[in-house]
Amino acid sequence: AQKVTQAQTEISVVEKEDVTLDCVYETRDTTYYLFWYKQPPSGELVFLIRRNSFDEQNEISGRYSWNFQKSTSSFNFTITASQVVDSAVYFCALSEGGNNNDMRFGAGTRLTVKP
Amino acid sequence: DGGITQSPKYLFRKEGQNVTLSCEQNLNHDAMYWYRQDPGQGLRLIYYSQIVNDFQKGDIAEGYSVSREKKESFPLTVTSAQKNPTAFYLCASRQSRTGGQPQHFGDGTRLSIL
Repeated sequence: AQKVTQAQTEISVVEKEDVTLDCVYETRDTTYYLFWYKQPPSGELVFLIRRNSFDEQNEISGRYSWNFQKSTSSFNFTITASQVVDSAVYFCALSEGGNNNDMRFGAGTRLTVKP
Repeated sequence: DGGITQSPKYLFRKEGQNVTLSCEQNLNHDAMYWYRQDPGQGLRLIYYSQIVNDFQKGDIAEGYSVSREKKESFPLTVTSAQKNPTAFYLCASRQSRTGGQPQHFGDGTRLSIL
């Protein structure tokens, strides 16, 4: 069975600090997809990134970067020079290649960035 | 703009009452989903639908019902059999029935018991 663990329940940083959100996953499939979503206080989930299991290349998008390591089954998310607007709950999710509808979410990490 | 519209934003239910949450999408997505989110927890799948007139139970379908009469619409009814309905409900859709496509979410409906 697939499973996603976000061990950090809450993180609090001061603006301009770097912060890394951890995500560890479990799956028996060789084909799978990993996602990160952001949930601001307004409630909607905003899609941030998708990676497939065959592409371990790290990705950077502005202040955001993602580190995918199959050897440790991790897909960590780093925010560089955090800003108050980054305050949100962040979810990591996993979808196995053979199951079109079963996207499993982690419990989420609440990030608070203080000015 | 294309997107997913959930209504109402806030909903209150009396004891013994059924209530229906609306979800409409104009993204031309085949698949639609309903999730429940409780405080401090992740999302749990209630129902999903891959195609019109077909839907499947998720992990926590008891006390809920859905219909998919149109591609754009996937309403969720919270029945009186759902004894603990207070939660945040999110609707999502996906472009393709194949794996790997991200789900896109609406703004959610917050349901409370009076």
